Amino acid sequence: DQQVKQNSPSLSVQEGRISILNCDYTNSMFDYFLWYKKYPAEGPTFLISISSIKDKNEDGRFTVFLNKSAKHLSLHIVPSQPGDSAVYFCAARVSGTYKYIFGTGTRLKVLA
Amino acid sequence: GAVVSQHPSWVICKSGTSVKIECRSLDFQATTMFWYRQFPKQSLMLMATSNEGSKATYEQGVEKDKFLINHASLTLSTLTVTSAHPEDSSFYICSARDTGTSLIYEQYFGPGTRLTVT
Repeated sequence: DQQVKQNSPSLSVQEGRISILNCDYTNSMFDYFLWYKKYPAEGPTFLISISSIKDKNEDGRFTVFLNKSAKHLSLHIVPSQPGDSAVYFCAARVSGTYKYIFGTGTRLKVLA
Repeated sequence: GAVVSQHPSWVICKSGTSVKIECRSLDFQATTMFWYRQFPKQSLMLMATSNEGSKATYEQGVEKDKFLINHASLTLSTLTVTSAHPEDSSFYICSARDTGTSLIYEQYFGPGTRLTVT
């Protein structure tokens, strides 16, 4: 039972345009949601997070939106750059713990 | 930023042998470390939570006698895959939580270890 889902395995976007990566979750036991970026043969690196009591968090080119009623979050990258090409994982933290549940990842390719 | 290293980065071993993977926090202390496993095109699955000086907590379905975890210091956790079989071949990633952080949700990930059992 996959509690955190990323239904799009891949996404291609032109440089300078907006990249939108989506993530859905199935229960309400999570208090934080995070996005990680991963390059091949490397561990994930933290990008941005959002508390479950917020609906938006912005950090430079990265913005995360949370829709609790829909159990959906999205990561917007604007403008997209070729260096953003990587696999992006969303993760949800189980409330009151340090346990993260990860999605399956979306491979983003930004075309120059 | 906080750095977590893993050693080895890749290893090939024969069925029936044991393999030890090290996870080190290089510039911070980590009371808690985590071990994940990732199959191709799948998500990172938490295997166990490693606490310094105490027994690890294993996730449901993970055999604690097969995946031995030791967290003997604040900067080192080890995962030993005992009597390895081909189905244990996977990408193993550790993460560490900075004990001194005020950010309650951040974990720092190592680069991973690719294990191939022949």
